[in-house]
Amino acid sequence: SQKIEQNSEALNIQEGKTATLTCNYTNYSPAYLQWYRQDPGRGPVFLLLIRENEKEKRKERLKVTFDTTLKQSLFHITASQPADSATYLCALEGYQKVTFGIGTKLQVIP
Amino acid sequence: DVKVTQSSRYLVKRTGEKVFLECVQDMDHENMFWYRQDPGLGLRLIYFSYDVKMKEKGDIPEGYSVSREKKERFSLILESASTNQTSMYLCASSKGAAGKSEAFFGQGTRLTVV
Repeated sequence: SQKIEQNSEALNIQEGKTATLTCNYTNYSPAYLQWYRQDPGRGPVFLLLIRENEKEKRKERLKVTFDTTLKQSLFHITASQPADSATYLCALEGYQKVTFGIGTKLQVIP
Repeated sequence: DVKVTQSSRYLVKRTGEKVFLECVQDMDHENMFWYRQDPGLGLRLIYFSYDVKMKEKGDIPEGYSVSREKKERFSLILESASTNQTSMYLCASSKGAAGKSEAFFGQGTRLTVV
């Protein structure tokens, strides 16, 4: 069956460092992959979308990679700030719907 | 500012009650979705709709139904609420097909069934 894996344990990093979050998937061949940010008690907010023929995409301090051979996406936040602390969800397109990972909680320590 | 609005932030209902969760979007999106989110399980798709009066089952439709009489409004109905339906419910909409375009989420409804 289809499966999305995100490191469900919290990731703690020092302010100013680069945070790297991982999304692995099995039994999928998504043409699109998205990343969302979710703050406690609120709905997810879209960050980036990357297509299967795009290896990398950037938006300000954010960078996403998409490796269809490894079946993996990496999400990077450079020069991290305490305001980046949140849960980050990856989402895969497939079979007329999108499936979300459970998310990784990022804590940026001042 | 684009918006997806859910009718309630917090709701407490009794077991066996019929519960309506309303969602309205002002972006003229064709696609609308209902998810529930539980700790350790993430977001799970309950139902979705690609057009008015059209509905499709998601991954966990049991115990739920939906209604889409107008393009901007998508309602989730719990026919007979049970305690295992206590959860955070999130509505979303998108212009393009699911996963191929940005989804906009509402603020969520935290439902407690007692």
